[in-house]
Amino acid sequence: GESVGLHLPTLSVQEGDNSIINCAYSNSASDYFIWYKQESGKGPQFIIDIRSNMDKRQGQRVTVLLNKTVKHLSLQIAATQPGDSAVYFCALFRGAQKLVFGQGTRLTINP
Amino acid sequence: NAGVMQNPRHLVRRRGQEARLRCSPMKGHSHVYWYRQLPEEGLKFMVYLQKENIIDESGMPKERFSAEFPKEGPSILRIQQVVRGDSAAYFCASLPTSGSYNEQFFGPGTRLTVL
Repeated sequence: GESVGLHLPTLSVQEGDNSIINCAYSNSASDYFIWYKQESGKGPQFIIDIRSNMDKRQGQRVTVLLNKTVKHLSLQIAATQPGDSAVYFCALFRGAQKLVFGQGTRLTINP
Repeated sequence: NAGVMQNPRHLVRRRGQEARLRCSPMKGHSHVYWYRQLPEEGLKFMVYLQKENIIDESGMPKERFSAEFPKEGPSILRIQQVVRGDSAAYFCASLPTSGSYNEQFFGPGTRLTVL
């Protein structure tokens, strides 16, 4: 089966610094890898995704890197802002099937 | 275009009572997923439904839990004879068509507390 894990449960960064959140997965037969942001009391919010045949994708202030050799996924947030404080989840998605979520990393921004 | 709607947002039940959670997908979306999130954990898949069909219920507990998505009206997640361990946040997400979009839109969730 598929499983997703994260290296750190919490991450603190200074405002303005870059943040890197990591994720490891066990099953590579997934079409998409997705990052979600969840603020307190809210549902997950899509940030960015990457297809399994890509190794890098950039969005606005965010970059996702996929290393299929070591089954590792990372989310980089540039110039972290207070509004970036949240729990970040990576997830696997295959076809029309379910999303498999990791445990989550809580990102805290220090002023 | 309204997003995914869930109600109630908060639900308190005593042990043994029934909980009914409702999810209205985004307009034009005919696929609904339900997930459960325990405190400080990631979301766990429960069930995937299309209109009038259960496609995948591999994440649903075998007893007390049921889900439906009728032709008209919202999707319902029903928990009978609730126990304290059912306390969690329940999220639904919708997709426009099967496999055509990799971004599930999530609702705000229903937080169930069992006393």
